Formats: sequence, structure tokens, C-alpha cells
Amino acid sequence: SQTIHQWPATLVQPVGSPLSLECTVEGTSNPNLYWYRQAAGRGLQLLFYSVGIGQISSEVPQNLSASRPQDRQFILSSKKLLLSDSGFYLCAWSVRAVRTNEKLFFGSGTQLSVL
Amino acid sequence: AQKVTQAQTEISVVEKEDVTLDCVYETRDTTYYLFWYKQPPSGELVFLIRRNSFDEQNEISGRYSWNFQKSTSSFNFTITASQVVDSAVYFCALSEAYTGRRALTFGSGTRLQVQP
Repeated sequence: SQTIHQWPATLVQPVGSPLSLECTVEGTSNPNLYWYRQAAGRGLQLLFYSVGIGQISSEVPQNLSASRPQDRQFILSSKKLLLSDSGFYLCAWSVRAVRTNEKLFFGSGTQLSVL
Repeated sequence: AQKVTQAQTEISVVEKEDVTLDCVYETRDTTYYLFWYKQPPSGELVFLIRRNSFDEQNEISGRYSWNFQKSTSSFNFTITASQVVDSAVYFCALSEAYTGRRALTFGSGTRLQVQP
């Protein structure tokens, strides 16, 4: 069966520090991978998605970046965190398909607090 | 551009009451898919249902039912005889079938609190 791992679960970082969140998927090949952010009391905002190694699509211009060094690994990074980067970050995967009708499977999330 | 609106920010009911969560969407595509996800306090989103734009039949799964009405661009979710375990944030989402953007657009979510 497929599983998705996301870590760390919680993170407290000072403003201006770097960030690296990692997500890995097991039990499937060639997944689509996604990073979403959920600000406190708000909905889910798509940050990045990837349909293959090295292929990253950015939805929102910001100081965050994403990379996919391996087929089932998705990394969210920042060189210098801002207060506004605080939120709940969710990684997700879906079966790669021509049509966007495949359901998403989510990780357990990372609660990031930038102080 | 596609958009999903969940106008109800928070709903509080007493156990065993029925509750309906509203979802209204906007899309230019004629082929699209609608989803509902549940986010319990643990944080991980759980898939509930997927419905394509050509299938307007209502669906029932246990205490859950979904009413898809293309004429009003709505995809409402009803929980019958609510239970405390139903307390969560519920998200409605939309994807367009043939755009290059391979991702879901989520609504802002509705927080449901079921009181014992």
C-alpha cells in the first residue's frame, strides 16, 4: 500500500533562518507531488506541484522554493523565513494522470511557526 | 479561473442533528471534478468523495450524502444524525479536467463542531 511521510511534525524557526521540509512517498511510482499551505483559520493554498523529477510548477511567487531530486521525494525550502511563512504545510501525492481527476493523498502536515 | 466558495466558516450542532455544508464553485471548463475532504484535529486531510461534472446523481454513503446541482454550481454535503467524531474542518475542492494545472483548488473550509 502507498504511504506518505512528512517531517518534521512541528517546527519553530526565527525570522531569517533557512527552512527545509521533506516529504517522501512509498509504494507508488511517478506520482504527482504537491505542497499546500494552510494559514490559521484559512483554506488550503497550493504552493508547488511537480509531475516529475526536476519539474516544479509554482503557484504563488514568494520566498519559498521546491525541489524534486528523486521520483518520490519532494522538498520545500526557504533561504530566509518571513513571519508570514507561518502556517500548516501539507504534502500530497496523486496518481499521475492526463486528467486532474485523481484524488489527493495527504501527509500529516508540518506546523511551522516563524518567530 | 476556477474558484470554490464555502460561505459557512463555522457550524455548531448538537449530536444527532442533521447538518449541511455548502459548496459553490466557478469554472469555465465543461469537464471538471469535485471533491470533499475532511480534516480532523490531527491535521491530515482525508478524502471523502469525488464526483465528475457529468454525473449529477446524488450519492449516499452511510450518514453522508452529497447533492450535486450543476444548474446552481453547487456540491453540498449533508451529514445525517451527526456524531462528535464528525467534528472537523471540511473542504470542498475543484479540478478542471483539461487544463495544464494539475492540482485542486480548495475552498476555505467549514469548521463543524458537534456538541455531545
